[in-house]
Amino acid sequence: GENVEQHPSTLSVQEGDSAVIKCTYSDSASNYFPWYKQELGKRPQLIIDIRSNVGEKKDQRIAVTLNKTAKHFSLHITETQPEDSAVYFCAASSSGGYQKVTFGTGTKLQVIP
Amino acid sequence: GAVVSQHPSRVICKSGTSVKIECRSLDFQATTMFWYRQFPKQSLMLMATSNEGSKATYEQGVEKDKFLINHASLTLSTLTVTSAHPEDSSFYICSATEQGSAKNIQYFGAGTRLSVL
Repeated sequence: GENVEQHPSTLSVQEGDSAVIKCTYSDSASNYFPWYKQELGKRPQLIIDIRSNVGEKKDQRIAVTLNKTAKHFSLHITETQPEDSAVYFCAASSSGGYQKVTFGTGTKLQVIP
Repeated sequence: GAVVSQHPSRVICKSGTSVKIECRSLDFQATTMFWYRQFPKQSLMLMATSNEGSKATYEQGVEKDKFLINHASLTLSTLTVTSAHPEDSSFYICSATEQGSAKNIQYFGAGTRLSVL
């Protein structure tokens, strides 16, 4: 089955700096890679996703890159703000009827004002 | 956006009782729903995949007789924790994918915090 590893487990940055979270996956059949943000005690919310036919995707301060050859994908947050503080999960999935998603172990991001 | 409602948000029960958790897709039909368990400061661990009109598919190590899943309609899946014990205390969260959607976007419920005394 799929195995998703995520690093770092915790990340502290000063407000305004950039934050980068990296993930690797094992199943070459995976072709959909969402990122979720979970604030304390709340449900995970999809913040950005990328498919394997795209190498990079950007949405305002958030960008995701994908290296399918190396089975790496990363989340980049620029100009971080205190409200970006949360736990971020990467995930990997293959298309098809089953649609099972495997989550990474999470990164707790703290943005220091 | 798609909304998934999960109820109850919090349950406190005595050891040995059964607890039912409901997961509803409010504005879309969900052929598939997923049930996760999340321990404090840990990731979401998939317990089972709930398919409308058929038996759920359980992940390795998850007891199907302990965690009963029913997906009787395209908008409702239930998870029943039978004969709950303190070690079953956890945060249970469901998600649903929209029927016919090309993307595998999972919309999450708000979760249920189960405390077994």
